[in-house]
Amino acid sequence: QQQVKQSPQSLIVQKGGISIINCAYENTAFDYFPWYQQFPGKGPALLIAIRPDVSEKKEGRFTISFNKSAKQFSLHIMDSQPGDSATYFCAARSSSGTYKYIFGTGTRLKVLA
Amino acid sequence: ETGVTQTPRHLVMGMTNKKSLKCEQHLGHNAMYWYKQSAKKPLELMFVYNFKEQTENNSVPSRFSPECPNSSHLFLHLHTLQPEDSALYLCASSQDSPGSGSPLHFGNGTRLTVT
Repeated sequence: QQQVKQSPQSLIVQKGGISIINCAYENTAFDYFPWYQQFPGKGPALLIAIRPDVSEKKEGRFTISFNKSAKQFSLHIMDSQPGDSATYFCAARSSSGTYKYIFGTGTRLKVLA
Repeated sequence: ETGVTQTPRHLVMGMTNKKSLKCEQHLGHNAMYWYKQSAKKPLELMFVYNFKEQTENNSVPSRFSPECPNSSHLFLHLHTLQPEDSALYLCASSQDSPGSGSPLHFGNGTRLTVT
């Protein structure tokens, strides 16, 4: 019940295309859902985050879609660029817990020029 | 200097060695974390400290020993490690209070190789 399942494991997209990464969770106590972006040799960096009181959040080319009833959330990268090539992690956290984030297994995205 | 700084960036150690990883955060956060990142696995939470007190030990073997002398510094002392402990060790910090979700800020990690 503490898992966050992420798919796909890897993704190849043409420049200008849409990249979509999906995550699903079981624990209904989760109430904060961030996405992290990690480049080789760097630590993960917060990209965008959402709380379950909204169904969508957009920041530039990055959008989180959230489906509370299905317990799923996804990251959409519009107009994907080669510079977006990185590993993306979804995560979930319960604010009533002990500051514990649960991470997905990561998606390695490659955007072809 | 800002953010979360980890040293060293790379470490190679034998199974009988003793070494320490260091993390320093300049964000004024109250919580600090150690994570282990291995290929094709989710980030594994190891330890959590909040205001210098350990609040989480995720069943980590005793060959890993954390130390948090203050809210800005976190150490991970290593001894008699195994080759399967080779991984990227990430430090993170956050500003947390009950009922409040704060994002994690990660350092760039220490790439550990145990020979």
